[in-house]
Amino acid sequence: GAGVSQSPSNKVTEKGKDVELRCDPISGHTALYWYRQSLGQGLEFLIYFQGNSAPDKSGLPSDRFSAERTGGSVSTLTIQRTQQEDSAVYLCASSRGQYNEQFFGPGTRLTVL
Amino acid sequence: DAKTTQPPSMDCAEGRAANLPCNHSTISGNEYVYWYRQIHSQGPQYIIHGLKNNETNEMASLIITEDRKSSTLILPHATLRDTAVYYCIVRGNYGGATNKLIFGTGTLLAVQP
Repeated sequence: GAGVSQSPSNKVTEKGKDVELRCDPISGHTALYWYRQSLGQGLEFLIYFQGNSAPDKSGLPSDRFSAERTGGSVSTLTIQRTQQEDSAVYLCASSRGQYNEQFFGPGTRLTVL
Repeated sequence: DAKTTQPPSMDCAEGRAANLPCNHSTISGNEYVYWYRQIHSQGPQYIIHGLKNNETNEMASLIITEDRKSSTLILPHATLRDTAVYYCIVRGNYGGATNKLIFGTGTLLAVQP
């Protein structure tokens, strides 16, 4: 079956612009996660959605970052007023339930000039 | 979640077994050991997980010591495509446990022809 898909695969933007990154989880997966991986850094948790529960936003680095998950499926990560330090690969993952293994998408490479 | 310690890099000859160690001496009784890997420029890929019994699937075997303070991931016949960073992660699967994956620096496994 189809895996987790993300779009765009690459995004280049200018400092100060807003960007939206999209994630389509595996159908039927109730849990959705966003992570990011900066050059030379490890994978860093950003936000987690589980069903209709309030999301766990504990990993968002600043209030410029927000995410939504509409209809319990597709999720959008929005970064406002992008900064150069936001340049990273943004990875989305989904899992069948909150305690199941996570399946990752290919990521969106964001470059802020 | 418990912290894990892995060697930064390992080499393995193609066709031989790759044994990747992980120390998790502070693991608690209801925490699982998960293994993921990340091939260059791809999202992480789930490999296997276990609680206290040894586990095997089509990708690998997981050997957990009796005291659960360490584990070994075994790739029985390594191929060049197994070259990747391997992450050992400890995570609870119980109510109230964090669902996010906390990635360390992992082990870069280089399979040599």
